Amino acid sequence: AQSVTQPDIHITVSEGASLELRCNYSYGATPYLFWYVQSPGQGLQLLLKYFSGDTLVQGIKGFEAEFKRSQSSFNLRKPSVHWSDAAEYFCAVGDNNDMRFGAGTRLTVKP
Amino acid sequence: KAGVTQTPRYLIKTRGQQVTLSCSPISGHRSVSWYQQTPGQGLQFLFEYFSETQRNKGNFPGRFSGRQFSNSRSEMNVSTLELGDSALYLCASTLRSGQGNTIYFGEGSWLTVV
Repeated sequence: AQSVTQPDIHITVSEGASLELRCNYSYGATPYLFWYVQSPGQGLQLLLKYFSGDTLVQGIKGFEAEFKRSQSSFNLRKPSVHWSDAAEYFCAVGDNNDMRFGAGTRLTVKP
Repeated sequence: KAGVTQTPRYLIKTRGQQVTLSCSPISGHRSVSWYQQTPGQGLQFLFEYFSETQRNKGNFPGRFSGRQFSNSRSEMNVSTLELGDSALYLCASTLRSGQGNTIYFGEGSWLTVV
């Protein structure tokens, strides 16, 4: 069965510092992979997605993610975090019939 | 292009009552799915509709039901509300393509059961 693990429940970084949020998945085939962001009281906004091709995917708001098949990972990165990036981030894995979400990582940005 | 629209955004109900939530997907998207989000359980899949037919269903009791109309708009209903049904209910519409499907979420409906 497919599953998604986000090992870090909460991460705190300083504004301007780099960020990496971890995501590991379990899936029988090559999955479709997604990262979403949720600000307080809001729905989930799609940051980026990977279906096939180049394993380094660029998204909105300066985020990128890299698919590493050998490590079953799809980590989200940003070179310089802004205070407005404080939110909850969800990794998701699926195919055309089923989507599974990780438990989320809450990001706090220190001034 | 307008996003996924959910109404109402906030509502308070009493235990035992029932509630209906509405969702209008992105224009051209024919698939709508519903999720429940709570602090303890995270995001949980409720059900998915495509062309007015339920395609998938999560592990929720029969009190949770949904339907989809010919214009792809969807409603979900929860009957005999319990305190534990307090949650953010998210609707999502799916862009289906040959390469892969992408889910887009609405802002959600906050339900508080008292």
